[in-house]
Amino acid sequence: DTAVSQTPKYLVTQMGNDKSIKCEQNLGHDTMYWYKQDSKKFLKIMFSYNNKELIINETVPNRFSPKSPDKAHLNLHINSLELGDSAVYFCASLDYSGNEQFFGPGTRLTVL
Amino acid sequence: AQTVTQSQPEMSVQEAETVTLSCTYDTSENNYYLFWYKQPPSRQMILVIRQEAYKQQNATENRFSVNFQKAAKSFSLKISDSQLGDTAMYFCAFMKTNSGNTPLVFGKGTRLSVIA
Repeated sequence: DTAVSQTPKYLVTQMGNDKSIKCEQNLGHDTMYWYKQDSKKFLKIMFSYNNKELIINETVPNRFSPKSPDKAHLNLHINSLELGDSAVYFCASLDYSGNEQFFGPGTRLTVL
Repeated sequence: AQTVTQSQPEMSVQEAETVTLSCTYDTSENNYYLFWYKQPPSRQMILVIRQEAYKQQNATENRFSVNFQKAAKSFSLKISDSQLGDTAMYFCAFMKTNSGNTPLVFGKGTRLSVIA
């Protein structure tokens, strides 16, 4: 019954590795987002997709590549991980009325 | 661009007391939404309350209410009868309307501790 799910919830990896975080929503929403929460708890938009199309890319390094195979999924692939990528990454979807976003549980990424 | 400012990094309140968290924002938009989100240690983002800018009436949800002052661009959250479970980070957020893809713009958060 989970509305927005993310896997994995925790990810520990070495610098230089490539990793992916998966997001799925079963709400039938068209618009999905990735947000990053840094070590100071600041939340900032990274990407927005609408019906599998990239709409917003907020000056994120091109090591980050979102992929949307269908409108229920928005995955985040990160190449050549750096220490500064350590953060919590949240996926979210926007309801049809456009007035509420539903968040996934977050993925805590730790780069060693 | 929109900005959201929360000027209180940390606050504390005694159980059963009332506390108010401050938020101001800057925008040239006329239609938008404002939100307060709660993030407990579990890190789940939980919507506490939502205000539509075109509505003059302040939103309320049980013990949570807002004081929305559109002209002053102020949106404070009042928590009445504080409970230990209210201990969390609270984020104020802004979202434009009239656009299906608009993201949330967050403040830096206020860490609230409810003391027994």
